[in-house]
Amino acid sequence: IQLTQSPSSLSASVGDRVTITCRASQGISSYLAWYQQKPGKAPKLLIYAASTLQSGVPSRFSGSGSGTDFTLTISSLQPEDFATYYCQQLNSYPFTFGGGTKVEIK
Amino acid sequence: QVQLVQSGAEVKKPGASVKVSCKASGYTFTGYYMHWVRQAPGQGLEWMGWINPNSGGTNYAQKFQGRVTMTRDTSISTAYMELSRLRSDDTAVYYCARDRAEVVRGGGSHWGQGTLVTVSS
Repeated sequence: IQLTQSPSSLSASVGDRVTITCRASQGISSYLAWYQQKPGKAPKLLIYAASTLQSGVPSRFSGSGSGTDFTLTISSLQPEDFATYYCQQLNSYPFTFGGGTKVEIK
Repeated sequence: QVQLVQSGAEVKKPGASVKVSCKASGYTFTGYYMHWVRQAPGQGLEWMGWINPNSGGTNYAQKFQGRVTMTRDTSISTAYMELSRLRSDDTAVYYCARDRAEVVRGGGSHWGQGTLVTVSS
């Protein structure tokens, strides 16, 4: 299963609402996770089961979707949110990742 | 608290093998699947497979079948990933990641710090 993220990069300002999409090449139910990765660091799980916020993750992050189309939304971008975001499907083997979306400071 | 501590960086020649360890603490090691994920320099994430630390059962991405072996030693709560017949394009940071839940589809909730493997002649 291929995951296509868009956009591949974006520039935004602190306080902006940011939406990242992840499209699967076939249906994956709700078996989708979102991660945040900062340079030189391991990924951090933000959302699992498409829309469930991982413990300790700020509520400005939210996920939605099922089947083939998913979104990650950051309601009000904070300075610490500038990073690369990845989706991962856990429906079928191999558990593929999307290509990533780099969120940069405008 | 849950911690995954990986072994140090490695430099290997093409054709050699590398074995990366991932020592777990702060939870019941046999209760959660362990995934292995790699990331080539400047590239995205690539899932390699998982091991069930309880049974020793494994599932490998087809891309790595025949070259990767995931094992564990429950007595020291450590998982291992061995990759053989190394090529230059295996140069990457290798991560272990514990599944979020007691199933294999929860996502990686806890990650090791990563191990850089450099393949160079």
